[in-house]
Amino acid sequence: NAGVTQTPKFQVLKTGQSMTLQCAQDMNHEYMSWYRQDPGMGLRLIHYSVGAGITDQGEVPNGYNVSRSTTEDFPLRLLSAAPSQTSVYFCASSRLDIALPYEQYFGPGTRLTVT
Amino acid sequence: QQQVKQSPQSLIVQKGGISIINCAYENTAFDYFPWYQQFPGKGPALLIAIRPDVSEKKEGRFTISFNKSAKQFSLHIMDSQPGDSATYFCAASNAGGTSYGKLTFGQGTILTVHP
Repeated sequence: NAGVTQTPKFQVLKTGQSMTLQCAQDMNHEYMSWYRQDPGMGLRLIHYSVGAGITDQGEVPNGYNVSRSTTEDFPLRLLSAAPSQTSVYFCASSRLDIALPYEQYFGPGTRLTVT
Repeated sequence: QQQVKQSPQSLIVQKGGISIINCAYENTAFDYFPWYQQFPGKGPALLIAIRPDVSEKKEGRFTISFNKSAKQFSLHIMDSQPGDSATYFCAASNAGGTSYGKLTFGQGTILTVHP
């Protein structure tokens, strides 16, 4: 199993450009999510999905879109990049149970710089 | 609004010493408290987790202590080793219901263990 994979590893964008961060998992996990990591702020949830066709907002969703057309893939779209979106982005996945917590597996991250 | 507060921001310990990282939470609905370990350039990985029905959980050199009445929990690393040098994040979630295990992270602690 490759686990959770993310592409690209690094990206530089100019203000106003758009792009898609890719995330895929091969563990047949129902739950997938995107976090951003900024110094001194931990990881903050951007969007999450509990299955194909179902997505919802997290703590910091503004400026980002997601979709979940398959169980395996959960891309994150930046609509119009801003310097405030400079961050390291992590995708995570886990099994889903209404009553039990499952370990979330994180990808290696994408380091994004917006100039 | 930071629902999980983590301290200290950084910690330097000598090899063989005890590392202690503390977290406090506000949301009494939280019922799952994991700790994640992150090495430079990597995604976070689950280290150890606890649910509030126990006050302590030990796995090898790592122990979580949990104080429900004080809404605090801490990570103790016994016999700290240079290989433990990493960033540690506490987190919390409401494992059941419509929260779907969304994790709220603390700000992170950079641990350095000197040989």
